[in-house]
Amino acid sequence: EDKVVQSPLSLVVHEGDTVTLNCSYEVTNFRSLLWYKQEKKAPTFLFMLTSSGIEKKSGRLSSILDKKELFSILNITATQTGDSAIYLCAVPTPYNQGGKLIFGQGTELSVKP
Amino acid sequence: ETGVTQSPTHLIKTRGQQVTLRCSSQSGHNTVSWYQQALGQGPQFIFQYYREEENGRGNFPPRFSGLQFPNYSSELNVNALELDDSALYLCASSYGSGYGYTFGSGTRLTVV
Repeated sequence: EDKVVQSPLSLVVHEGDTVTLNCSYEVTNFRSLLWYKQEKKAPTFLFMLTSSGIEKKSGRLSSILDKKELFSILNITATQTGDSAIYLCAVPTPYNQGGKLIFGQGTELSVKP
Repeated sequence: ETGVTQSPTHLIKTRGQQVTLRCSSQSGHNTVSWYQQALGQGPQFIFQYYREEENGRGNFPPRFSGLQFPNYSSELNVNALELDDSALYLCASSYGSGYGYTFGSGTRLTVV
């Protein structure tokens, strides 16, 4: 059965700390992995990763995929209180397999002042 | 370009009742997917509609049903509500079922 597993499930840090969030996957016909940030309700898109070893970067956030070891990490440097959220990783399945997103459980990040 | 709109935002229902949740997809999107997110969990796929037909379905019982309309908006219907149906219900629209999903803010359903 296809699955996506995130760790840790929750994390409390102080402003300025650097955090690393992990996402491992076992999904048939893998093509890409997505990261989302969920504040309150609507998940908002962060990154899409398709190739191993190529870092995607946006400001203080960066992410990389390892297709050999079947995992991805999301790094946040110099954390701010506004980074407090649930971070979700998801793997999309092809249209002929229902076209769904398989999500991990999420990592709840809390950044203290 | 409008985003994905869901209504209502909050809802309280009694066990055994029926509920209808609504979703307006983003302009230009023809695919709508519904997810259930229980507290402390990641979203779980319920089903997807592409051009008014169900394209895929997750591990949810038949009392979860849906519709997609010609304007690509969608409804999620849940019959015979159970306490475990209490969750955040998210709608996501896309063009096709590959990538580029845009999520709505969800409907928080509480079953008492």
